[in-house]
Amino acid sequence: NAGVTQTPKFQVLKTGQSMTLQCAQDMNHEYMSWYRQDPGMGLRLIHYSVGAGITDQGEVPNGYNVSRSTTEDFPLRLLSAAPSQTSVYFCASSYSNKGYGYGYTFGSGTRLTVV
Amino acid sequence: AQKITQTQPGMFVQEKEAVTLDCTYDTSDPSYGLFWYKQPSSGEMIFLIYQGSYDQQNATEGRYSLNFQKARKSANLVISASQLGDSAMYFCAMREMRGGATNKLIFGTGTLLAVQP
Repeated sequence: NAGVTQTPKFQVLKTGQSMTLQCAQDMNHEYMSWYRQDPGMGLRLIHYSVGAGITDQGEVPNGYNVSRSTTEDFPLRLLSAAPSQTSVYFCASSYSNKGYGYGYTFGSGTRLTVV
Repeated sequence: AQKITQTQPGMFVQEKEAVTLDCTYDTSDPSYGLFWYKQPSSGEMIFLIYQGSYDQQNATEGRYSLNFQKARKSANLVISASQLGDSAMYFCAMREMRGGATNKLIFGTGTLLAVQP
């Protein structure tokens, strides 16, 4: 099993450019989510999904879009990149209905710099 | 609203000694789970230990144990016999279980642990 796969690992964008961060999992997890990690702020939830076709906003959704057309994939779109979106982005997935004792599986992260 | 507080931005510990990393939480949901994750300098998030709100016993996983004090809403991580490889950022996190469905996993700001030889 590959677990949670994030691509790319590194990306540099110019202000105003758009891009999509890819996230795929092969564990048949219903729940998927995106976080951003900034120094001193921990991981903050951007968007999450409890199943295909269902998404919702987290703490810091502005400037980001998501969709969940399949169980496996949960891409994160930056519509018009801003320097404030410079961060490390993590995708995570989990079972929804097997009890909350199951931990989340994280991808390896995407380090994004917006210049 | 759910909230996780980690008040220790950084800690030092001597190799082979025990260390406690503090975590307090706030929630109005009686059903929740508490997690600790380790993030080494390589950046990956490693799941360490889990405690459910209805668990009677404190969770343990090898050298990791969770000191769960429900009335005080604290879930401190205890690492026994520290090793150099324990140097990392440690995050406390909580997931509520509203309505029987998995809800969001919310993180604290983390504690950076440095183990000294």
